[in-house]
Amino acid sequence: SQQGEEDPQALSIQEGENATMNCSYKTSINNLQWYRQNSGRGLVHLILIRSNEREKHSGRLRVTLDTSKKSSSLLITASRAADTASYFCATARTGNQFYFGTGTSLTVIP
Amino acid sequence: DAGITQSPRYKITETGRQVTLMCHQTWSHSYMFWYRQDLGHGLRLIYYSAAADITDKGEVPDGYVVSRSKTENFPLTLESATRSQTSVYFCASSGTGEGYTFGSGTRLTVV
Repeated sequence: SQQGEEDPQALSIQEGENATMNCSYKTSINNLQWYRQNSGRGLVHLILIRSNEREKHSGRLRVTLDTSKKSSSLLITASRAADTASYFCATARTGNQFYFGTGTSLTVIP
Repeated sequence: DAGITQSPRYKITETGRQVTLMCHQTWSHSYMFWYRQDLGHGLRLIYYSAAADITDKGEVPDGYVVSRSKTENFPLTLESATRSQTSVYFCASSGTGEGYTFGSGTRLTVV
């Protein structure tokens, strides 16, 4: 399978803490993306990182990519209750077809 | 309004019936995709399209048919619905090398 696998499956933290989610994949990729999904809603694109990039930032989000370890991490700093959602990584080996993992469920406790 | 819209939002159908889920995008994105989301499986790619009249199978295409006669529309048809096709279906679109924009989903129940 080309799917990424997120770890942990579930994460619960206090508001203001940082949240780190990891994604591992099996085959070489050209792009990796992170998405957020609030309960009952569609997925929202957060960040796309290409295989020749090691780190990207977007506001309170920081994504790293280690192609030698076939892994990526998503860090959310200073978490807020509104960050409560499921987070998915998606990988593309070639072309524009992305394959999704099963997600990490993040709960931020106010 | 610009965006990607799916219809219907909810659908209940009987086993063996044909049902079509609609997807419409207003960005003229080249790529469109259909995923299904089930507990324990995450999102699985059913079909995708790189341009009008070009479609290809994803991970789980069996029992589904797609067409793309116009860039903005990408309907998904279940030829003969089965209970295993009960799921939430998401349509997405993107430009080349860009992130996806997802619709709000269609919750399909096959009874």
